[in-house]
Parts: sequence; C-alpha cells; structure tokens
Amino acid sequence: DAGVIQSPRHEVTEMGQEVTLRCKPISGHDYLFWYRQTMMRGLELLIYFNNNVPIDDSGMPEDRFSAKMPNASFSTLKIQPSEPRDSAVYFCASSVRSEKLFFGSGTQLSVL
Amino acid sequence: GENVEQHPSTLSVQEGDSAVIKCTYSDSASNYFPWYKQELGKGPQLIIDIRSNVGEKKDQRIAVTLNKTAKHFSLHITETQPEDSAVYFCAARVEGGSEKLVFGKGTKLTVNP
Repeated sequence: DAGVIQSPRHEVTEMGQEVTLRCKPISGHDYLFWYRQTMMRGLELLIYFNNNVPIDDSGMPEDRFSAKMPNASFSTLKIQPSEPRDSAVYFCASSVRSEKLFFGSGTQLSVL
Repeated sequence: GENVEQHPSTLSVQEGDSAVIKCTYSDSASNYFPWYKQELGKGPQLIIDIRSNVGEKKDQRIAVTLNKTAKHFSLHITETQPEDSAVYFCAARVEGGSEKLVFGKGTKLTVNP
C-alpha cells in the first residue's frame, strides 16, 4: 500500500482565495483525521470521520473551514476564504478502529 | 478536555548517550499513550505505545514508562544514534470514549555524532 496520500504537497495562495486540500486514506481504514500543525499550537485535531461520517468537528476553527468525505477513499478540507493565519502544515491520517494512526506527508499551506 | 504537556522542547545529546522525554496529562480517564516520531518533511510515525494496564514497555532501544497516579509518562531512548534526530510527540486518549488523540507540543531531539 502507498500509505496515506495528500495533495498538493505545497500550496501558496493569496488571502481571500479558496483552498482545497485532498486526502486518500489507506484502503480498509475506517477512521480519517485532519490535523493542523503550527509552531505555536503544535498538532491540533480539526475533524475526524468514521466510515465516512463526520463524528467530531469541534476543532474546526471557523465556518471558513469545511471537510467532506464522499466515499471511503477520498476526503477534502476546504478553506474559504483563506487568511494568512491559516498558514500551517495540514495532515491527514487514517486508522483502523482509531488505533495506530498513519499520517500522510502533509500539505504545507502558505496564505499571503 | 485532555491537555498534554511535554518537556523539554529541545534536547541535544551525544551519540551513544540516553535521551528522556517526559509528558503529563490532565484527564485521569486517559488510558492510551502513544509516541510518534516526525522526521523533517514527513508526517508523524508511531514508534511505541502503552496502555494503562502496563507500567513499562520496551522495544529494542526505546522504552516507555507510565505512572498513572502521577499522570505522567516518559520516553527513553538508549544508545542514541544520529538517525534518532527528529521531533518526538507524546499523546493521550481515552480508549472507548472520544477517539480524539491529544498531542503534546513536541521535543526536537538532536543527536550529535
């Protein structure tokens, strides 16, 4: 298996633009997590899904953030409109029964 | 909710020395404590974990200890090697409850050759 695949690896955009981050979890995994990593706040859980259903989105910072999981092999995290303070590394992770998390390589987002 | 504190934030050791990273947690119901290693440009990777029914667990040069009474757990790396240089994260979760894994802020370990 290729592991958790995230795209793009790097995204540079201007304030106010829409940003869409993509994630393909490991086949057979039933949990998917979106994390954000910054120097100041470390790794923060934004939202997680179980069997494609959002379970807890209490970590989503604002209404500008939304996440979907239309099927077991794909998830998106959208920021609209983006702001400079959204600049961070966004990680997707998947797991079986929420045990060992397998992380993707992350998307480095820079909002200018 | 759960809060995990991790110390130190940076740690520099000589190759062959031991390294110890410590974490405390706030929620006494937490019962699962994994450690992740993050290399530059990569996502975190699980290296060892421990559950609350165990006080210590070893895997080659890596060991984790847990003190439930004091609500702290530690990662011990012996005979450190340059390839151990990375950022290490501790985390805590209540198994059977929320599936949220709460991470510490991380420790940047540098092993000098």
